[in-house]
Formats: sequence, C-alpha cells, structure tokens
Amino acid sequence: AQSVAQPEDQVNVAEGNPLTVKCTYSVSGNPYLFWYVQYPNRGLQFLLKYITGDNLVKGSYGFEAEFNKSQTSFHLKKPSALVSDSALYFCAVRENSNSGYALNFGKGTSLLVTP
Amino acid sequence: DSGVTQTPKHLITATGQRVTLRCSPRSGDLSVYWYQQSLDQGLQFLIQYYNGEERAKGNILERFSAQQFPDLHSELNLSSLELGDSALYFCASSPGQGVTDTQYFGPGTRLTVL
Repeated sequence: AQSVAQPEDQVNVAEGNPLTVKCTYSVSGNPYLFWYVQYPNRGLQFLLKYITGDNLVKGSYGFEAEFNKSQTSFHLKKPSALVSDSALYFCAVRENSNSGYALNFGKGTSLLVTP
Repeated sequence: DSGVTQTPKHLITATGQRVTLRCSPRSGDLSVYWYQQSLDQGLQFLIQYYNGEERAKGNILERFSAQQFPDLHSELNLSSLELGDSALYFCASSPGQGVTDTQYFGPGTRLTVL
C-alpha cells in the first residue's frame, strides 16, 4: 500500500524565516503526491501536487514542494513564513490499488509561525 | 471556497441513532469521496462514488453506507451510532476518477455522539 509519513508533529518558525514541513513516502510504482492545509474549523485546502516532471512544484499562497526520488521525500517549503500560514498541513499519496484512487494522508504537521 | 458544500455543519445526536450527511460536489465533478477525521485515527478514506456507482471502499464500517444520486449529490448514512463515531466527516469531489485528479474538500460536518 502507498503511504506517507510526516515525522514532525509541530514545526515552529519565526515570521519572515523560511519554513519546511517534511514528508516522506513509500509507494510501489509512480508516486502521486499532494499537500493540503487545514485551518481551524475549516476543510482541507489543496496547495499543490506532484504528478511527473519538474521536481520543484509551485503551488498556492507562495508554497512550493521539492520532490526527491532518491530520498523518497516531498517536503513543503516557503521562502518567507507569514503568521497567517499557521495551520495543520497534510501530505497525501494517491492510492491506486483496490482502494481506488483515494488519498492516503499523513498524520499532519502543525505549523506555528510566531511574529 | 472549494465549491463543495456539506450539510449540516454540526450534528449532535445520541448513541444508537441514525444520521444522514449530505454533500454537493463542485459543478461538473463526477467523483465524490467521503473521509473521516478523528483525533486517534487521523484522516481516513471511507468510500468513493463515481457518476452514481460505488468505486472504492476504505475503512468504512458496516453500520455506515452511502449513495450518489443522479444529480451527483451524495449522502453518507451512519446508523447505530457509537461514541467513537464522533468525528469530522469530509466530502471531497474531483472531475473524474483519474489518479492525477485533484480532490477538493468541503468544509465538513462535525458529528458529536452523546
């Protein structure tokens, strides 16, 4: 089965500093990877996805993610963090087995950006 | 706003009861997915429908069922509710059922079982 791991429960960063939220994956075959963000009492918002092609994927709100096949990682990055980026971030991989094409999510990483 | 709507936003009920959660996908989307988010289990896939047909099942209990109607809206039925069913239930939709399709999530229904 396809899976992702988010090794950090929480990431703290000061406003204006670069941020990284880590994700590693385990798949058989081609990886289809996604990042979502969840603000308090809100649904998940799509940020970006990696299907194929460039290893650096640009997404919404200034976020980008770097796909690294050798390290089986798909880390989410932003050059300069904002307080408003504080939220719960989920990495996900697309299943393509008898679970159809559902998303298999990591446990999430809470990002706290302090002023 | 993703364009996916879910009703109701909140639902409080008692153990043993039955509830129905409703989801309207984005205009033109044919696939609907249901997910459950709880503190102990995280985000878990329950079931997928595509153009009215069930396509995939995840960790969905036998007490739970779903359907997708001809107008493409979907309902998730939860019966014989237990305290452990308290969770946030999300619906997501995508244009088709391709592996690269992006799923767009609704705001969720928070179910509290007392």
